[in-house]
Amino acid sequence: GAVVSQHPSWVICKSGTSVKIECRSLDFQATTMFWYRQFPKQSLMLMATSNEGSKATYEQGVEKDKFLINHASLTLSTLTVTSAHPEDSSFYICSARVVVNSYNEQFFGPGTRLTVL
Amino acid sequence: GDSVTQMEGPVTLSEEAFLTINCTYTATGYPSLFWYVQYPGEGLQLLLKATKADDKGSNKGFEATYRKETTSFHLEKGSVQVSDSAVYFCALSRRSGGNKLVFGAGTILRVKS
Repeated sequence: GAVVSQHPSWVICKSGTSVKIECRSLDFQATTMFWYRQFPKQSLMLMATSNEGSKATYEQGVEKDKFLINHASLTLSTLTVTSAHPEDSSFYICSARVVVNSYNEQFFGPGTRLTVL
Repeated sequence: GDSVTQMEGPVTLSEEAFLTINCTYTATGYPSLFWYVQYPGEGLQLLLKATKADDKGSNKGFEATYRKETTSFHLEKGSVQVSDSAVYFCALSRRSGGNKLVFGAGTILRVKS
């Protein structure tokens, strides 16, 4: 299957700093990528849909200025958590969408653990 | 809005035991239904899917049948192995919902030898 990588796999930062997380599709191109957030023992919550060459579409309740998304190429989307605070600590997961026989399938990255001190 | 409810875990079984993880959903229209598996340290992988009522998805010995009358998509396996230990997520998507995935909370499965 298609492979999606994320970097870094974990990051610890101080409150007030910004952190960038990369999501790459390694062996395919993806015009659409998704960013999710997962709290401990909870489900994945969709944060935003990232479209190559255009602005991301954010889900209700997600701060656009807080979580900056850039999808500059068909294989890379980045999520920047700006002015991070401890409540932003979470597991962030990306996925890349592929259309196979008119069917949409998402391939997921391994996730990035963010801890804000 | 759309939602997915899974049985809480962790589920602990002995090797070769029968597995059932319950999943029910709430959605308008006719969603597609999925089971994803997440092994330790890895990303979510699609385990199986069903796109219409009465469809049965199957893969690696796992099965789930799309039951519209009970809005359910329960995951089953006849004989689990230690290597099946993972977190299992039930999910749905709708074309009219932009094909966005809505996930259940996940169920941890632990299989002991």
